[in-house]
Amino acid sequence: GQNIDQPTEMTATEGAIVQINCTYQTSGFNGLFWYQQHAGEAPTFLSYNVLDGLEEKGRFSSFLSRSKGYSYLLLKELQMKDSASYLCAVLDSNYQLIWGAGTKLIIKP
Amino acid sequence: GAVVSQHPSWVICKSGTSVKIECRSLDFQATTMFWYRQFPKQSLMLMATSNEGSKATYEQGVEKDKFLINHASLTLSTLTVTSAHPEDSSFYICSAREQEPFNEQFFGPGTRLTVL
Repeated sequence: GQNIDQPTEMTATEGAIVQINCTYQTSGFNGLFWYQQHAGEAPTFLSYNVLDGLEEKGRFSSFLSRSKGYSYLLLKELQMKDSASYLCAVLDSNYQLIWGAGTKLIIKP
Repeated sequence: GAVVSQHPSWVICKSGTSVKIECRSLDFQATTMFWYRQFPKQSLMLMATSNEGSKATYEQGVEKDKFLINHASLTLSTLTVTSAHPEDSSFYICSAREQEPFNEQFFGPGTRLTVL
């Protein structure tokens, strides 16, 4: 079966750095997405990785290792507004998005 | 970036009534649209995938006679929750994808349904 694992919840301090991990086992791979979702809102796109390595976009970076079935989202200089759920999703061989359960990130002052 | 709208943003209805939710791609043609449901503190659950002009493909456990999906044009898909019950209360989100590239999927803002 297809499976995506990420921690349920993480806590970090304002101004610090946090890394949210995601491991996956899917039938085929056409890329991995990270989305941010604030409570009561739809997800918003953060990043897309299809090749191994690190993609940096401002305070957010995303890393992918296809051989390990592993990705992480790195958030730097945390701000209170970064408190949200972060969803990892993999595009499988049928170009369907397989979703993780999401990681709730709590930022403390 | 591409914009997807949903209407209504929220709806409250009585048990037994039907509710229609519209999903529109505003500045691109969406050959495929997806309907998700999300219960509080849970992840997105794909309900069905619809391709323009053909029948929707429903995920296992989703009743196709209860959740009617119509993808009549390249910019509009509708989800009708028939004979809604309180357990159908949820956050319904649509997303749309252009024909290419397949990696791009854009989300609507969601519709919060409350069935009394």
